[in-house]
Amino acid sequence: KNEVEQSPQNLTAQEGEFITINCSYSVGISALHWLQQHPGGGIVSLFMLSSGKKKHGRLIATINIQEKHSSLHITASHPRDSAVYICAVLQGGSEKLVFGKGTKLTVNP
Amino acid sequence: DTAVSQTPKYLVTQMGNDKSIKCEQNLGHDTMYWYKQDSKKFLKIMFSYNNKELIINETVPNRFSPKSPDKAHLNLHINSLELGDSAVYFCASSPGSGGYGYTFGSGTRLTVV
Repeated sequence: KNEVEQSPQNLTAQEGEFITINCSYSVGISALHWLQQHPGGGIVSLFMLSSGKKKHGRLIATINIQEKHSSLHITASHPRDSAVYICAVLQGGSEKLVFGKGTKLTVNP
Repeated sequence: DTAVSQTPKYLVTQMGNDKSIKCEQNLGHDTMYWYKQDSKKFLKIMFSYNNKELIINETVPNRFSPKSPDKAHLNLHINSLELGDSAVYFCASSPGSGGYGYTFGSGTRLTVV
């Protein structure tokens, strides 16, 4: 079993819908990243969380350290949000990222 | 001004060849990494260097040898390329302080034929 599990693996939504992607992890972490990878291939860090909640535009990320769970929400989704979203955890005491397998999001107009 | 730049972006080569991928960061970060993304898009760490010193070396064949001439550069040399080495290789850097400022390069797509 992977140390970082994401769900769903694939998600198709209509433009305007509220999107939630979940991430659970089984190791001790110092921080959690949400990453976005567009079809062109580049990886961008959207958020880094160690507690609570962060918001950037239409994106919201939350983390519950006790439950070892994080969620990424997208409000008013748009076709340009179509990408693979990857949860990655920074293992405690290390600078090494351990990745989930990603969630492929497709937002249709 | 690209923060983490990798070259080349695409590399097609024959089995058995030796090739290098270069990575440079202009962020002043202390730590650099090589990650491999396989055909199923799963990312996994290969190596990490902090100030030119190897600190992470995951289970990677000896044919892969990283080299860090200074803290701004981390190159990846691959000997005797095999079909299974085909993947996208990402370089990344971080200040080395709890994960803030983690920045990825745009990736190098290696195809071994």
